[in-house]
Amino acid sequence: EIVLTQSPGTLSLSPGERATLSCRASQSVTSTYLAWYQQKPGQALRLLIYDISTRATGIPDRFSGSGSGTDFTLTISRLEPEDFAVYYCQQYGTSPLTFGGGTNVEI
Amino acid sequence: QVQLVESGGGVVQPGGSLRLSCAASGFTFSIPVMHWVRQAPGNGLEWVALISHDGDYKTYSDSVKGRFTVSRDNSKKTLYLQMNNLRTEDAAVYYCAKALNSGWGPFEYWGLGNLVTVSS
Repeated sequence: EIVLTQSPGTLSLSPGERATLSCRASQSVTSTYLAWYQQKPGQALRLLIYDISTRATGIPDRFSGSGSGTDFTLTISRLEPEDFAVYYCQQYGTSPLTFGGGTNVEI
Repeated sequence: QVQLVESGGGVVQPGGSLRLSCAASGFTFSIPVMHWVRQAPGNGLEWVALISHDGDYKTYSDSVKGRFTVSRDNSKKTLYLQMNNLRTEDAAVYYCAKALNSGWGPFEYWGLGNLVTVSS
């Protein structure tokens, strides 16, 4: 099983600041099958980034993904008030599919 | 627009059974892989099971293998999760999710989830 470790667990920032979230895999992720999701209370989970760096439909360009192999990063260039949420990485190339433990981006 | 609506959750005793349903609309249900994912209270996300577009291929997490069965009825645009021999550690919000394109992932759309409580 590919274990995904996200850091930090909590990121305390202010609107307008840059957020850098890390996701490290215990072994190389198959192909480019790494995604990022946003979770807010009472809302459906939202796909942000897939295939490491492809923004999903409707996702603003302040969200970007990068990385390869075992190290991946989600960057939010300038935080908007609606970006404060929990973020999860996921690998979907190898069964069992796995998620990281999440990073809480808080004000 | 795409909608995924889970139902069938509730309170069950350890050892009991429940069947979750996920009603889909807004897309051609018979095309994508579909998934179940769960989230225990205060915890992160755990993938549970996937089923191929035609139901011929299924795979499960080790934690539910042999107890849970995923199925789909493409004519009814509905995904199911039959959960047997439930344990306290199965208590969670269960989400159904639609894969993007024809692969296993990523998970393009999610339902709002349905709560399963396992308690005596």
